[in-house]
Amino acid sequence: DAGVTQSPTHLIKTRGQQVTLRCSPKSGHDTVSWYQQALGQGPQFIFQYYEEEERQRGNFPDRFSGHQFPNYSSELNVNALLLGDSALYLCASSLVSLAGGETQYFGPGTRLLVL
Amino acid sequence: AQSVTQLDSHVSVSEGTPVLLRCNYSSSYSPSLFWYVQHPNKGLQLLLKYTSAATLVKGINGFEAEFKKSETSFHLTKPSAHMSDAAEYFCVVSLSGGSYIPTFGRGTSLIVHP
Repeated sequence: DAGVTQSPTHLIKTRGQQVTLRCSPKSGHDTVSWYQQALGQGPQFIFQYYEEEERQRGNFPDRFSGHQFPNYSSELNVNALLLGDSALYLCASSLVSLAGGETQYFGPGTRLLVL
Repeated sequence: AQSVTQLDSHVSVSEGTPVLLRCNYSSSYSPSLFWYVQHPNKGLQLLLKYTSAATLVKGINGFEAEFKKSETSFHLTKPSAHMSDAAEYFCVVSLSGGSYIPTFGRGTSLIVHP
């Protein structure tokens, strides 16, 4: 049973460019969340997708957008990259629960460097 | 609103001695609480989860945590540290009901000396 996979593993971009990161959830999961983890910090929640809709959003600007496909995989897009966007981007999948408190399973992450 | 505070940025122990990683939380509602571990250059792995069942939660690799509502704490313990336990540990709080956004602590780096 494959866990959560992410691509690419590493990425280098320059300021002002756009980037797309990809995530495939664990088999049987229908919900995907994205996190940004700056060096030496805990992950910060960007947003979560369920049934191809954004379900929850953290405190991130509109430059961060996402998409979920019918097969539950997801993309994170970041426009107009800033130096401060350099971070490890983590994808987590889960099975939706209306009660909340879902257990999330994390991928290995994509390390983005903005020069 | 919710928040989580990991009281120590670094904890250093000798192999074979007990481990205590401290976490305090703040939540307006009944919380779900998690501990995750992150080894270098790897993703986050779930150690254990509390969701209003037993207050003492047992996890993988000999770790356990106790939910203490009166102290708003969820400290992680292990009786005997192993070299392979050296990693970054994150305490996470999310609400059990309605909309929620998981909130991570800043992390505690566990150092294990031989």
